[in-house]
Amino acid sequence: EDQVTQSPEALRLQEGESSSLNCSYTVSGLRGLFWYRQDPGKGPEFLFTLYSAGEEKEKERLKATLTKKESFLHITAPKPEDSATYLCASGGTSYGKLTFGQGTILTVHP
Amino acid sequence: DAGITQSPRHKVTETGTPVTLRCHQTENHRYMYWYRQDPGHGLRLIHYSYGVKDTDKGEVSDGYSVSRSKTEDFLLTLESATSSQTSVYFCAITFGTSGNYEQYFGPGTRLTVT
Repeated sequence: EDQVTQSPEALRLQEGESSSLNCSYTVSGLRGLFWYRQDPGKGPEFLFTLYSAGEEKEKERLKATLTKKESFLHITAPKPEDSATYLCASGGTSYGKLTFGQGTILTVHP
Repeated sequence: DAGITQSPRHKVTETGTPVTLRCHQTENHRYMYWYRQDPGHGLRLIHYSYGVKDTDKGEVSDGYSVSRSKTEDFLLTLESATSSQTSVYFCAITFGTSGNYEQYFGPGTRLTVT
């Protein structure tokens, strides 16, 4: 059974304080590792897809990396508007069925 | 914007009543999905569709049925709602032709079963 575990459950940062979120996965035949951002009361918003170990992708203050067992979402010099829940998901079967982690709630204080 | 709308956005219903949630997309995407999101469980797949009249079960399909008679609409039905089905329901689509690509989510429907 595919499993995705995110840590920490919650993270509080000061504005400008860089950090990383972790996503550990156990998937037979990874077909993609996906990162999403979710704001309260809204649907998840797609951020990145990573397909192979060593791959990295960046968007503004966010950078996602992938190893054979983990993915990291690095946040550089965060701002209060980066506060949200960050979700990761693994795709390990056909038809695009994703297995989601429970998310990391990020709060950035000014 | 993936062109996904969900209706209703909020619904309160009583235990034992039937409920249908609608997901509508405007861009002829082949793959559509229904998830529920609950505290402590994250997002879990209920059902998915890979074409008109082609659907299959996800990990939490008990108590739910789906139908897709047109490409643009994917309906989720709770035949007899229970309090355990109180949740936020999200519809998603993928742009890919094989389904193995990122999914884009609708705004969600908050369902309360009393």
